[in-house]
Amino acid sequence: AQSVAQPEDQVNVAEGNPLTVKCTYSVSGNPYLFWYVQYPNRGLQFLLKYITGDNLVKGSYGFEAEFNKSQTSFHLKKPSALVSDSALYFCAVRDMYGGATNKLIFGTGTLLAVQP
Amino acid sequence: GAVVSQHPSRVICKSGTSVKIECRSLDFQATTMFWYRQFPKKSLMLMATSNEGSKATYEQGVEKDKFLINHASLTLSTLTVTSAHPEDSSFYICSARDYLAGSTGELFFGEGSRLTVL
Repeated sequence: AQSVAQPEDQVNVAEGNPLTVKCTYSVSGNPYLFWYVQYPNRGLQFLLKYITGDNLVKGSYGFEAEFNKSQTSFHLKKPSALVSDSALYFCAVRDMYGGATNKLIFGTGTLLAVQP
Repeated sequence: GAVVSQHPSRVICKSGTSVKIECRSLDFQATTMFWYRQFPKKSLMLMATSNEGSKATYEQGVEKDKFLINHASLTLSTLTVTSAHPEDSSFYICSARDYLAGSTGELFFGEGSRLTVL
């Protein structure tokens, strides 16, 4: 069975400092991994994905994530946080053998709070 | 990126009435759409997978007779909450994947619908 864990309910970071939002996954085959961001009372916006290839994936708004197969992790990072990055972040996974209808499983979300 | 339009964004209804939420993919076609429910403590729960031209696939514990899903075309799926009760109050979000993107494509999400049942 597929699963995703986001161990931190909330991450606090000062503006200008680097940020990391953690995610670990479990799938039976090779994973497709995704990060989404949600602002209050809005839908989710796609940030980046890992399908295959380079382990370091670059996405929107200066975010990047590193796929680590041995640690089954896909942590989201940004070198310098902005107050406007404050939002709810979701990690998601699906099994590459599931086909186009295969569902995406989401983590419980991590609230990122960037202090000015 | 691709756009998914969800309507209405907010709806208030009386207990016992039914409410329909529409989800449209505006610039792509989606053979599959997904309906999620988001609870106050933020977690997303997949309710069902909506398949164009066939019956939806519901997740365990989701009442298919209460949450009716119709996916009549490649760009429209609807969720109808029948005989709504206050416990159905929630934030409902739909998502869709461009069928041309295949299995590696990301999901695009609607803006969500806030349902309040009085």
